[in-house]
Amino acid sequence: NAGVTQTPKFRVLKTGQSMTLLCAQDMNHEYMYWYRQDPGMGLRLIHYSVGEGTTAKGEVPDGYNVSRLKKQNFLLGLESAAPSQTSVYFCASSYPSSGPISYEQYFGPGTRLTVT
Amino acid sequence: DQQVKQNSPSLSVQEGRISILNCDYTNSMFDYFLWYKKYPAEGPTFLISISSIKDKNEDGRFTVFLNKSAKHLSLHIVPSQPGDSAVYFCAASANSGGSNYKLTFGKGTLLTVNP
Repeated sequence: NAGVTQTPKFRVLKTGQSMTLLCAQDMNHEYMYWYRQDPGMGLRLIHYSVGEGTTAKGEVPDGYNVSRLKKQNFLLGLESAAPSQTSVYFCASSYPSSGPISYEQYFGPGTRLTVT
Repeated sequence: DQQVKQNSPSLSVQEGRISILNCDYTNSMFDYFLWYKKYPAEGPTFLISISSIKDKNEDGRFTVFLNKSAKHLSLHIVPSQPGDSAVYFCAASANSGGSNYKLTFGKGTLLTVNP
């Protein structure tokens, strides 16, 4: 049981380049999330999904797109990276499909992205 | 508008003493509160939670207190250990309001426990 995994762990992009961050969870969770963490800003929600095939905007969605084609995967895309997107990105999941209801979110290890 | 506030960016305590981390919230719809712990270069890990129907929840060395009238919660760690040194995030959700899938996080408090 790996929990929540993120790929890649580190990445350096040039301004204007694109990339996709992959999140996978093996806990059969219904909900998945993408956050960014910046110094002094805490965790801010970018996009989230409450089920396969559904996505919604969070607090800071501009410049990002997401897709959830499979229940266990949640992809975060940057179409044209900007220096302001330099951050640490965390994926999380919650709400098991079966068993006791729980709203605790379980986080991946993070992706450190630098845009130059 | 910051709905979950952790007004102390950092806290330093001696090993063996009590650590008290504070959190205030403004949204009266919040009815479920959580504390997360984060080490450098790792993702946040769930520590302890409390529902608004309770005013205290205890798990080993960790106790969370909730004061609904003051919209305030606190995390007590007794006794504090050097391994507790980490950033602690307070988070809240509005389960009865239909937004149970979203958490609102505070900015975090860096706890340093000195040997």
